[in-house]
Amino acid sequence: DQQVKQNSPSLSVQEGRISILNCDYTNSMFDYFLWYKKYPAEGPTFLISISSIKDKNEDGRFTVFLNKSAKHLSLHIVPSQPGDSAVYFCAASPISSGSARQLTFGSGTQLTVLP
Amino acid sequence: ETGVTQSPTHLIKTRGQQVTLRCSSQSGHNTVSWYQQALGQGPQFIFQYYREEENGRGNFPPRFSGLQFPNYSSELNVNALELDDSALYLCASSIGGGSGTQHFGDGTRLSIL
Repeated sequence: DQQVKQNSPSLSVQEGRISILNCDYTNSMFDYFLWYKKYPAEGPTFLISISSIKDKNEDGRFTVFLNKSAKHLSLHIVPSQPGDSAVYFCAASPISSGSARQLTFGSGTQLTVLP
Repeated sequence: ETGVTQSPTHLIKTRGQQVTLRCSSQSGHNTVSWYQQALGQGPQFIFQYYREEENGRGNFPPRFSGLQFPNYSSELNVNALELDDSALYLCASSIGGGSGTQHFGDGTRLSIL
């Protein structure tokens, strides 16, 4: 039972254009959402997060949108750069985990930014 | 500032053996979480340690166990290794029982023959 789904295994975008990565979740108890980026042979690197009390959070070129009614979030990267090419993971954490922020990850989307 | 470090980088074991993986948390972080990432999948939560005690556990059998030391470093122990245990094992550290953002190490690649 996949509680966090990233339905697009891969995405290719031209340099300078917008990249949109999508994520859906099924668990209504999730209240905190994060995006991580992972290069080969490295651990995931935290990018941006959003709490369920917000619908948008922006940090430089990265913006995360949360639609709670649709249980959907997306990551926008503008403008996309070749260095953004990596696997992007969506992760979520439930209220019920208490102090232990147990992250549930999606299966990832490989983003390739073409020069 | 020193980030999260894991050792060893790679490890090869055979079925039935036991393995210990190690993690040093980022400076100032008192919480360590362990994840298993199988090929083509996202990381899956194993357990978390806070103040030297287990502070949450995912859907993993008891042969997966851990420790946290007074300096907040941690070990993941896996007994009776199975072929399906082949994966990348990731350690993440954070502040305050995991309520802070989790920062990951580069992982240990475990292969079971």
